[in-house]
Amino acid sequence: DQQVKQNSPSLSVQEGRISILNCDYTNSMFDYFLWYKKYPAEGPTFLISISSIKDKNEDGRFTVFLNKSAKHLSLHIVPSQPGDSAVYFCAASDTDKLIFGTGTRLQVFP
Amino acid sequence: DAMVIQNPRYQVTQFGKPVTLSCSQTLNHNVMYWYQQKSSQAPKLLFHYYDKDFNNEADTPDNFQSRRPNTSFCFLDIRSPGLGDAAMYLCATSRDAGRSSYEQYFGPGTRLTVT
Repeated sequence: DQQVKQNSPSLSVQEGRISILNCDYTNSMFDYFLWYKKYPAEGPTFLISISSIKDKNEDGRFTVFLNKSAKHLSLHIVPSQPGDSAVYFCAASDTDKLIFGTGTRLQVFP
Repeated sequence: DAMVIQNPRYQVTQFGKPVTLSCSQTLNHNVMYWYQQKSSQAPKLLFHYYDKDFNNEADTPDNFQSRRPNTSFCFLDIRSPGLGDAAMYLCATSRDAGRSSYEQYFGPGTRLTVT
Protein backbone atom coordinates (compact mmCIF):
# COMPACT_ATOMS: atom_id res chain seq x y z
CA ASP A 1 0.00 0.00 0.00
CA GLN A 2 1.67 3.15 -1.28
CA GLN A 3 1.31 5.89 1.32
CA VAL A 4 3.12 8.47 -0.81
CA LYS A 5 2.24 8.63 -4.48
CA GLN A 6 3.79 10.42 -7.40
CA ASN A 7 1.47 9.63 -10.24
CA SER A 8 3.51 11.24 -13.01
CA PRO A 9 6.58 9.16 -13.79
CA SER A 10 7.97 11.85 -16.05
CA LEU A 11 7.64 15.51 -16.94
CA SER A 12 9.18 17.51 -19.76
CA VAL A 13 9.43 21.31 -19.53
CA GLN A 14 11.05 23.99 -21.62
CA GLU A 15 13.88 25.98 -20.09
CA GLY A 16 12.63 29.15 -18.42
CA ARG A 17 9.13 27.80 -17.83
CA ILE A 18 7.63 26.56 -14.57
CA SER A 19 7.97 22.91 -13.56
CA ILE A 20 5.26 21.56 -11.25
CA LEU A 21 5.80 18.19 -9.64
CA ASN A 22 2.95 16.65 -7.67
CA CYS A 23 2.71 14.28 -4.74
CA ASP A 24 -0.26 12.79 -2.88
CA TYR A 25 -0.28 11.03 0.45
CA THR A 26 -2.79 8.95 2.35
CA ASN A 27 -1.61 9.05 5.96
CA SER A 28 -3.05 12.06 7.79
CA MET A 29 -0.48 11.55 10.57
CA PHE A 30 2.36 12.70 8.32
CA ASP A 31 3.59 16.01 9.69
CA TYR A 32 6.69 16.72 7.65
CA PHE A 33 7.28 16.56 3.93
CA LEU A 34 10.43 16.72 1.87
CA TRP A 35 11.62 16.73 -1.71
CA TYR A 36 14.81 14.99 -2.75
CA LYS A 37 16.59 15.32 -6.07
CA LYS A 38 18.58 12.53 -7.68
CA TYR A 39 21.05 12.74 -10.54
CA PRO A 40 22.16 9.56 -12.35
CA ALA A 41 24.87 7.60 -10.52
CA GLU A 42 24.40 9.70 -7.38
CA GLY A 43 22.34 9.29 -4.25
CA PRO A 44 19.29 11.46 -3.58
CA THR A 45 20.06 14.89 -2.10
CA PHE A 46 17.77 16.93 0.09
CA LEU A 47 16.15 19.84 -1.74
CA ILE A 48 13.40 21.47 0.32
CA SER A 49 10.97 20.60 3.09
CA ILE A 50 7.77 21.80 4.70
CA SER A 51 6.15 21.24 8.05
CA SER A 52 2.45 20.48 8.26
CA ILE A 53 1.89 23.73 10.16
CA LYS A 54 2.76 25.66 7.01
CA ASP A 55 1.24 25.72 3.56
CA LYS A 56 4.19 27.16 1.65
CA ASN A 57 7.96 27.15 1.86
CA GLU A 58 10.22 28.92 -0.59
CA ASP A 59 13.94 28.60 -1.28
CA GLY A 60 15.18 30.49 -4.29
CA ARG A 61 13.67 29.01 -7.44
CA PHE A 62 12.03 26.19 -5.48
CA THR A 63 8.69 26.45 -3.68
CA VAL A 64 6.77 23.67 -2.00
CA PHE A 65 3.03 23.99 -1.42
CA LEU A 66 1.08 21.83 1.02
CA ASN A 67 -2.68 21.31 0.91
CA LYS A 68 -3.49 19.24 4.00
CA SER A 69 -7.19 18.92 3.30
CA ALA A 70 -6.42 17.40 -0.09
CA LYS A 71 -3.37 15.50 1.22
CA HIS A 72 -1.42 16.95 -1.65
CA LEU A 73 1.87 18.73 -2.05
CA SER A 74 3.62 20.16 -5.03
CA LEU A 75 7.07 21.41 -5.93
CA HIS A 76 7.33 24.43 -8.20
CA ILE A 77 10.57 25.27 -9.97
CA VAL A 78 10.67 28.72 -11.54
CA PRO A 79 12.39 29.29 -13.87
CA SER A 80 13.37 25.78 -14.87
CA GLN A 81 16.95 25.22 -15.97
CA PRO A 82 18.58 22.31 -17.82
CA GLY A 83 20.56 21.50 -14.65
CA ASP A 84 17.26 20.76 -12.92
CA SER A 85 16.88 17.65 -15.06
CA ALA A 86 16.82 14.81 -12.50
CA VAL A 87 14.49 12.46 -10.68
CA TYR A 88 12.55 14.13 -7.88
CA PHE A 89 11.32 12.11 -4.92
CA CYS A 90 8.63 13.25 -2.55
CA ALA A 91 8.95 11.94 1.02
CA ALA A 92 6.81 12.17 4.16
CA SER A 93 7.27 11.36 7.80
CA ASP A 94 5.49 11.20 11.13
CA THR A 95 8.24 9.47 13.09
CA ASP A 96 11.93 8.85 12.67
CA LYS A 97 11.67 7.47 9.18
CA LEU A 98 10.84 8.69 5.70
CA ILE A 99 8.30 7.20 3.31
CA PHE A 100 9.25 7.90 -0.30
CA GLY A 101 7.25 8.16 -3.47
CA THR A 102 8.32 6.46 -6.68
CA GLY A 103 9.80 9.62 -8.18
CA THR A 104 9.16 11.87 -11.16
CA ARG A 105 11.79 12.25 -13.85
CA LEU A 106 12.01 15.91 -14.89
CA GLN A 107 13.60 16.82 -18.18
CA VAL A 108 14.22 20.48 -18.92
CA PHE A 109 14.97 21.11 -22.58
CA PRO A 110 16.42 24.27 -24.19
CA ASP B 1 34.24 16.86 1.77
CA ALA B 2 32.12 15.03 4.29
CA MET B 3 30.24 12.28 2.58
CA VAL B 4 28.60 8.87 2.51
CA ILE B 5 30.58 6.24 0.62
CA GLN B 6 29.30 2.93 -0.63
CA ASN B 7 31.44 0.08 -1.86
CA PRO B 8 31.29 -1.53 -4.25
CA ARG B 9 29.17 0.49 -6.66
CA TYR B 10 28.25 -2.66 -8.56
CA GLN B 11 28.09 -6.14 -7.08
CA VAL B 12 27.29 -9.39 -8.84
CA THR B 13 26.56 -12.45 -6.76
CA GLN B 14 25.21 -15.90 -7.41
CA PHE B 15 21.85 -17.15 -6.27
CA GLY B 16 22.22 -18.27 -2.66
CA LYS B 17 25.78 -16.97 -2.20
CA PRO B 18 26.13 -14.60 0.77
CA VAL B 19 27.05 -11.05 -0.07
CA THR B 20 28.01 -8.00 2.01
CA LEU B 21 27.56 -4.38 1.01
CA SER B 22 29.51 -1.64 2.77
CA CYS B 23 28.79 1.91 3.75
CA SER B 24 30.99 4.44 5.47
CA GLN B 25 30.42 8.04 6.48
CA THR B 26 32.64 10.96 7.40
CA LEU B 27 29.75 13.09 8.69
CA ASN B 28 29.90 11.66 12.22
CA HIS B 29 26.15 11.19 12.13
CA ASN B 30 24.40 9.12 14.76
CA VAL B 31 21.88 7.40 12.51
CA MET B 32 22.56 5.16 9.52
CA TYR B 33 19.91 3.68 7.22
CA TRP B 34 19.72 1.00 4.56
CA TYR B 35 17.17 1.29 1.78
CA GLN B 36 16.30 -1.07 -1.04
CA GLN B 37 15.14 0.43 -4.32
CA LYS B 38 13.88 -1.72 -7.14
CA SER B 39 13.40 -0.40 -10.64
CA SER B 40 10.72 2.32 -10.86
CA GLN B 41 9.83 1.85 -7.21
CA ALA B 42 10.24 4.02 -4.15
CA PRO B 43 13.24 3.53 -1.89
CA LYS B 44 12.11 1.18 0.88
CA LEU B 45 13.62 1.33 4.34
CA LEU B 46 15.05 -2.02 5.47
CA PHE B 47 16.46 -1.00 8.87
CA HIS B 48 18.36 1.72 10.65
CA TYR B 49 20.82 2.13 13.47
CA TYR B 50 20.52 4.89 16.01
CA ASP B 51 24.05 4.75 17.36
CA LYS B 52 24.32 1.05 18.25
CA ASP B 53 20.57 0.48 18.57
CA PHE B 54 19.30 -1.62 15.69
CA ASN B 55 15.78 -0.95 14.36
CA ASN B 56 14.37 -3.46 11.91
CA GLU B 57 11.36 -2.71 9.73
CA ALA B 58 8.56 -5.21 10.30
CA ASP B 59 8.48 -6.36 6.70
CA THR B 60 12.23 -6.70 6.17
CA PRO B 61 12.99 -10.35 5.35
CA ASP B 62 15.15 -12.32 7.77
CA ASN B 63 17.53 -12.87 4.87
CA PHE B 64 18.75 -9.31 5.40
CA GLN B 65 21.00 -8.50 8.33
CA SER B 66 23.06 -5.49 9.28
CA ARG B 67 26.09 -4.67 11.38
CA ARG B 68 27.43 -1.37 12.62
CA PRO B 69 30.82 -1.98 14.24
CA ASN B 70 31.49 1.71 14.83
CA THR B 71 30.05 5.16 14.09
CA SER B 72 31.57 5.35 10.63
CA PHE B 73 30.74 1.97 9.13
CA CYS B 74 27.59 -0.01 8.47
CA PHE B 75 27.23 -3.28 6.56
CA LEU B 76 24.31 -4.96 4.85
CA ASP B 77 24.53 -8.75 4.75
CA ILE B 78 22.28 -10.78 2.48
CA ARG B 79 22.59 -14.34 3.67
CA SER B 80 21.07 -16.17 0.70
CA PRO B 81 20.33 -13.79 -2.15
CA GLY B 82 17.43 -14.61 -4.39
CA LEU B 83 16.66 -13.22 -7.83
CA GLY B 84 14.13 -10.91 -6.21
CA ASP B 85 16.86 -9.24 -4.17
CA ALA B 86 18.41 -7.66 -7.23
CA ALA B 87 18.08 -3.94 -6.62
CA MET B 88 19.87 -0.70 -5.81
CA TYR B 89 20.84 -0.55 -2.15
CA LEU B 90 21.14 2.93 -0.71
CA CYS B 91 22.87 3.84 2.51
CA ALA B 92 21.93 7.09 4.23
CA THR B 93 22.78 8.97 7.40
CA SER B 94 21.15 11.62 9.55
CA ARG B 95 22.63 13.71 12.30
CA ASP B 96 20.20 12.46 14.89
CA ALA B 97 16.76 10.95 15.36
CA GLY B 98 13.45 12.80 15.49
CA ARG B 99 13.26 15.94 13.39
CA SER B 100 16.94 15.67 12.58
CA SER B 101 16.27 12.38 10.81
CA TYR B 102 14.27 14.07 8.10
CA GLU B 103 17.26 15.47 6.27
CA GLN B 104 19.15 12.40 5.24
CA TYR B 105 22.42 12.19 3.36
CA PHE B 106 22.63 9.41 0.82
CA GLY B 107 25.47 7.49 -0.69
CA PRO B 108 25.51 6.76 -4.43
CA GLY B 109 24.18 3.25 -3.91
CA THR B 110 25.31 -0.27 -4.73
CA ARG B 111 23.57 -2.01 -7.59
CA LEU B 112 23.26 -5.69 -6.81
CA THR B 113 22.80 -8.26 -9.55
CA VAL B 114 21.93 -11.86 -8.68
CA THR B 115 22.70 -14.49 -11.30
